[in-house]
Amino acid sequence: DAGVTQSPTHLIKTRGQQVTLRCSPKSGHDTVSWYQQALGQGPQFIFQYYEEEERQRGNFPDRFSGHQFPNYSSELNVNALLLGDSALYLCASSLEIGGQGRGYTFGSGTRLTVV
Amino acid sequence: ILNVEQSPQSLHVQEGDSTNFTCSFPSSNFYALHWYRWETAKSPEALFVMTLNGDEKKKGRISATLNTKEGYSYLYIKGSQPEDSATYLCASPGNTPLVFGKGTRLSVIA
Repeated sequence: DAGVTQSPTHLIKTRGQQVTLRCSPKSGHDTVSWYQQALGQGPQFIFQYYEEEERQRGNFPDRFSGHQFPNYSSELNVNALLLGDSALYLCASSLEIGGQGRGYTFGSGTRLTVV
Repeated sequence: ILNVEQSPQSLHVQEGDSTNFTCSFPSSNFYALHWYRWETAKSPEALFVMTLNGDEKKKGRISATLNTKEGYSYLYIKGSQPEDSATYLCASPGNTPLVFGKGTRLSVIA
């Protein structure tokens, strides 16, 4: 049973560049959420996608954008990278109906380093 | 804004010891409380999702309790083993789908 798949696993980018991270949700899940985990912090909610639309967004600037495709997979894009964007980016999938009453399924993350 | 707090931040125990840690959350507008176990270089794995006051759930040597009126949950590990070493995260839906605490980092020494 394939869980959540994220790619790439590691990435090094230069300040000012743009990056795209990818996520394939668990089979049968229709909702994808993205989280950023900085060192020493818990995962911080970036945004959530359902039916190819951003349905909710956390406290992140517009440099962070995303997309969901008809097959429920998702991308996270970050423009004009800053050193502070260095973090582990986690993707989580769930079912829209009752998702918060069940556990989310997480990927193992993409480690982004901005130099 | 929902604030989820976990304590302690880290914990070192000997193999065979039992241990517990705490997650606190606002008791108003409670919907659910999630516990995740996160081993290094792996994905966070859902342990429990709890919704009812007084709920108690168990998976092997790990159990959790929930008090929604006072806003806390305890996670217990009985007879800790080295493979229990991980970060334990709790999370609750708030104004965003899930608000996480910073986690408790457990190290079990053989």
